Amino acid sequence: GDSVTQMEGPVTLSEEAFLTINCTYTATGYPSLFWYVQYPGEGLQLLLKATKADDKGSNKGFEATYRKETTSFHLEKGSVQVSDSAVYFCALRWGNKLTFGTGTQLKVEL
Amino acid sequence: GAVVSQHPSWVICKSGTSVKIECRSLDFQATTMFWYRQFPKQSLMLMATSNEGSKATYEQGVEKDKFLINHASLTLSTLTVTSAHPEDSSFYICSASKGGGQDTEAFFGQGTRLTVV
Repeated sequence: GDSVTQMEGPVTLSEEAFLTINCTYTATGYPSLFWYVQYPGEGLQLLLKATKADDKGSNKGFEATYRKETTSFHLEKGSVQVSDSAVYFCALRWGNKLTFGTGTQLKVEL
Repeated sequence: GAVVSQHPSWVICKSGTSVKIECRSLDFQATTMFWYRQFPKQSLMLMATSNEGSKATYEQGVEKDKFLINHASLTLSTLTVTSAHPEDSSFYICSASKGGGQDTEAFFGQGTRLTVV
């Protein structure tokens, strides 16, 4: 079946550091790929998405490129802020079903 | 973006009792609603998918008689955990979407922390 693997956390960075959270997927079809963010005490929010190979999703300084050849969708940000501290989930969607990774907690310190 | 409200945010119940969790789409009509369960440091596991006016489709391994799902209107779905036991303690999350296509965005509730004592 479909699955998503993302790096374990927590990831702790200093403010303004570069962020990469790795995500790879296994799917039988050609899924859409997503990154969701969950801030403390809140529900999941869509951060960005890509619907086909080589698409780049971007939002709030975060980017991820749909790489079909490596089945990856790594999340990057050039300069993180304390306010980016949250749990980040990589997910794929095939049909109306979302499959999530385990989530990666990001802690950004001053 | 669209808002999905989940109630209650947390609940503590005695073993053997039933608990109902509500999921409402506040500013859109949700054709499809999803219920997930999240264990600590683990992924969200899809429990069931429900479409308004029809029976829910449960994922393999999810007991449909224990986790009753009702999607009576386009803005409300409920999950009832019947005869709850401590092993049912978990974080339950709902999401709702306006359609069923692959590119249709799903909007999430804030989750319900269930503790069974």
